Amino acid sequence: DAMVIQNPRYQVTQFGKPVTLSCSQTLNHNVMYWYQQKSSQAPKLLFHYYDKDFNNEADTPDNFQSRRPNTSFCFLDIRSPGLGDAAMYLCATSRDAGSHQPQHFGDGTRLSIL
Amino acid sequence: DAKTTQPPSMDCAEGRAANLPCNHSTISGNEYVYWYRQIHSQGPQYIIHGLKNNETNEMASLIITEDRKSSTLILPHATLRDTAVYYCIVRHTGNQFYFGTGTSLTVIP
Repeated sequence: DAMVIQNPRYQVTQFGKPVTLSCSQTLNHNVMYWYQQKSSQAPKLLFHYYDKDFNNEADTPDNFQSRRPNTSFCFLDIRSPGLGDAAMYLCATSRDAGSHQPQHFGDGTRLSIL
Repeated sequence: DAKTTQPPSMDCAEGRAANLPCNHSTISGNEYVYWYRQIHSQGPQYIIHGLKNNETNEMASLIITEDRKSSTLILPHATLRDTAVYYCIVRHTGNQFYFGTGTSLTVIP
């Protein structure tokens, strides 16, 4: 089935050690998103790609970066994770706004910081 | 950006209809309303969306008021598996989807 796949489901890293989270999609959607979701909170949009065009949210810390080498893959890089970055990270895809179609989400990667 | 307001929590008896309200009084003319739900430790799941007409699918019905300032998601016969957090989202005119605080629905046996 076409879907959004996030690997790994659980990731543990050390304080300050760079970490990369992966997302792939088989939907051929041109928009890909990264959200951060902390415990008991709603998902918070970090940034999104529209094709190769990167769109950062104004309040996303510089510690968070993203790469989209092709349509199917998108990566979230956390350069120097702090304890406050422990969260669930959700990847989503959609067609562009003109289609009015919904997002499709992966099941997330839960990041723990030691 | 159009903001959404939802009650933080609701209960519903199993087998009864669950009616989840959402206020989006600042919505603009071409912004759609989307509903998702999230079960613990999973990604949000799309339920339904609409612009101004009422919509129905196999999961739910969406009722949007004529002035489009509010909407109601209806789960016609709630089951225990419908216990989740339900999010109402008004899509930004760009590509962004911003989540509000959502409603935690508990279906009671």
